[in-house]
Amino acid sequence: DTAVSQTPKYLVTQMGNDKSIKCEQNLGHDTMYWYKQDSKKFLKIMFSYNNKELIINETVPNRFSPKSPDKAHLNLHINSLELGDSAVYFCASSLTGGGLDSPLHFGNGTRLTVT
Amino acid sequence: GEDVEQSLFLSVREGDSSVINCTYTDSSSTYLYWYKQEPGAGLQLLTYIFSNMDMKQDQRLTVLLNKKDKHLSLRIADTQTGDSAIYFCAERNAGNNRKLIWGLGTSLAVNP
Repeated sequence: DTAVSQTPKYLVTQMGNDKSIKCEQNLGHDTMYWYKQDSKKFLKIMFSYNNKELIINETVPNRFSPKSPDKAHLNLHINSLELGDSAVYFCASSLTGGGLDSPLHFGNGTRLTVT
Repeated sequence: GEDVEQSLFLSVREGDSSVINCTYTDSSSTYLYWYKQEPGAGLQLLTYIFSNMDMKQDQRLTVLLNKKDKHLSLRIADTQTGDSAIYFCAERNAGNNRKLIWGLGTSLAVNP
């Protein structure tokens, strides 16, 4: 009964490959996010979806494409993987609308290693 | 633009108090958060404070907010080895409440 679950936990792949990371939340939240955490632990938002609509799209290469089939799922597809894509990718969700107090709930991360 | 700053490292002895500091630039901040990230795990909300408060206490945690100086601190009393983690400060402002502005995280090391 994990609140925000992402798969896989570890992903090792070669440069040039295409891979996907999946995320699901069972909290009934309407906003989901993808964050990238680099080797220095710096956290950067990549995308945010609210009710399947893209609302935040930071400066991310076009090789990264999020897809939200419904408000409980937000997947991340990465084309033509590069060495610099190696990082831990976190999915998160939150409530929006209503009050401003809507903390994020994070998944446990997917450690992507590109060789 | 909006910015949140924290010192990157803090080392304390077990049993001492830890104080993690954060400064932010956005004067329209509404909520300020502290998240904790343990090794190999995702971030978890530790505590938060609304901008019209100046202090919030929750067991061993005390959050102090100086809105005039845009300074937020997290005090952990009687720090334990299990408190070793990265602590992220984040703020949410009234104008763009779907986006959090994150600090770079403070890595807390607790030495026995």
